[in-house]
Amino acid sequence: AQKITQTQPGMFVQEKEAVTLDCTYDTSDPSYGLFWYKQPSSGEMIFLIYQGSYDQQNATEGRYSLNFQKARKSANLVISASQLGDSAMYFCAMSFDYKLSFGAGTTVTVRA
Amino acid sequence: EAEVAQSPRYKITEKSQAVAFWCDPISGHATLYWYRQILGQGPELLVQFQDESVVDDSQLPKDRFSAERLKGVDSTLKIQPAELGDSAMYLCASSAQQGYQPQHFGDGTRLSIL
Repeated sequence: AQKITQTQPGMFVQEKEAVTLDCTYDTSDPSYGLFWYKQPSSGEMIFLIYQGSYDQQNATEGRYSLNFQKARKSANLVISASQLGDSAMYFCAMSFDYKLSFGAGTTVTVRA
Repeated sequence: EAEVAQSPRYKITEKSQAVAFWCDPISGHATLYWYRQILGQGPELLVQFQDESVVDDSQLPKDRFSAERLKGVDSTLKIQPAELGDSAMYLCASSAQQGYQPQHFGDGTRLSIL
């Protein structure tokens, strides 16, 4: 079974600073995809960034970057220059065999 | 506002009653998903459709839950009878294809069972 682990239940970050959200995963299959989603208090899950297991370079999307360390089975999300609107729940997810499995999430609170 | 349309946004009902949720995916998206998200946890897949066919419903409690996507476009998820433990957020998502395509989610339906 595929497993996603997010060990940080909650984090505080100062506005304009960077924050790293940890994600580790467990799979024996060489082909998989890794995703990060943001869920504000309104409830919608917003897709942020994707990393394929065969991608050689770390994915980046604006202020979001994914620190992919395949040998360590980790896919940490880095948010640079945090904004107040970044306060939300963040979920790491892995796609395998057409299914998406989510971690438990990390709550990020950005302080002014 | 999300591109995947869901209704209602909120639903409060008593146990033993029937409840239904509706989802309209992004136009052209062949794959549709229903998830249940308990407060403080990540979403869990209930059912996955490819066009009008069910691809995976292994986590759907079939004694009380049913889902359909008759014409391969919009979908309905039903619970009958509802139980107290069904209180959760129900999320619908769609993707262009199965596999490693990003899934795009709706705003969800918050269900409270009294």
